[in-house]
Amino acid sequence: GENVEQHPSTLSVQEGDSAVIKCTYSDSASNYFPWYKQELGKRPQLIIDIRSNVGEKKDQRIAVTLNKTAKHFSLHITETQPEDSAVYFCAASARSGYSTLTFGKGTMLLVSP
Amino acid sequence: KAGVTQTPRYLIKTRGQQVTLSCSPISGHRSVSWYQQTPGQGLQFLFEYFSETQRNKGNFPGRFSGRQFSNSRSEMNVSTLELGDSALYLCASSTGTAQTGELFFGEGSRLTVL
Repeated sequence: GENVEQHPSTLSVQEGDSAVIKCTYSDSASNYFPWYKQELGKRPQLIIDIRSNVGEKKDQRIAVTLNKTAKHFSLHITETQPEDSAVYFCAASARSGYSTLTFGKGTMLLVSP
Repeated sequence: KAGVTQTPRYLIKTRGQQVTLSCSPISGHRSVSWYQQTPGQGLQFLFEYFSETQRNKGNFPGRFSGRQFSNSRSEMNVSTLELGDSALYLCASSTGTAQTGELFFGEGSRLTVL
């Protein structure tokens, strides 16, 4: 089955810096790669996703890049703010429309003022 | 539009007991999936139901089971509880169609097994 590795497990940055979280996946059939943000005590929420026919996608301060050949994808957050502090999960799915996501183990991002 | 509702939010059980968790998806969503969240393992997929049928199942023992009703509400059951079953159980709903992928999570049911 699919295996998703996520690094780093913790990331501390100063407000205004950029943050990068990287994930690798094992199943070459995976074609959907979402990122979820989970604030402390809250439910995970989708922040951005990318499908395998696209190499990069941006939404304001966040962007995701995908390298299908190397089977890795990354989340980039620019101009970080304290409210970006949360746990970020990457995930992969090989079955479009299905709710079967294989998640990475998460990255705790701490943005210090 | 109401979000995903999970009940109960917290529960404490002892080893050997069983537990049933409930999930009401967003109106119109036909897919309900369940995930187990623990500090060490992150979110692990349990199973997905679509139109009352189990569409996919994760790598969990048979003590974990689920079902979905005609109104899309779903329940999961864990029998013969073990200490390691202590976790946050998250339910997520989605339309389940080919072009969409977003999961809408509930707030979870936090299970503690003593």
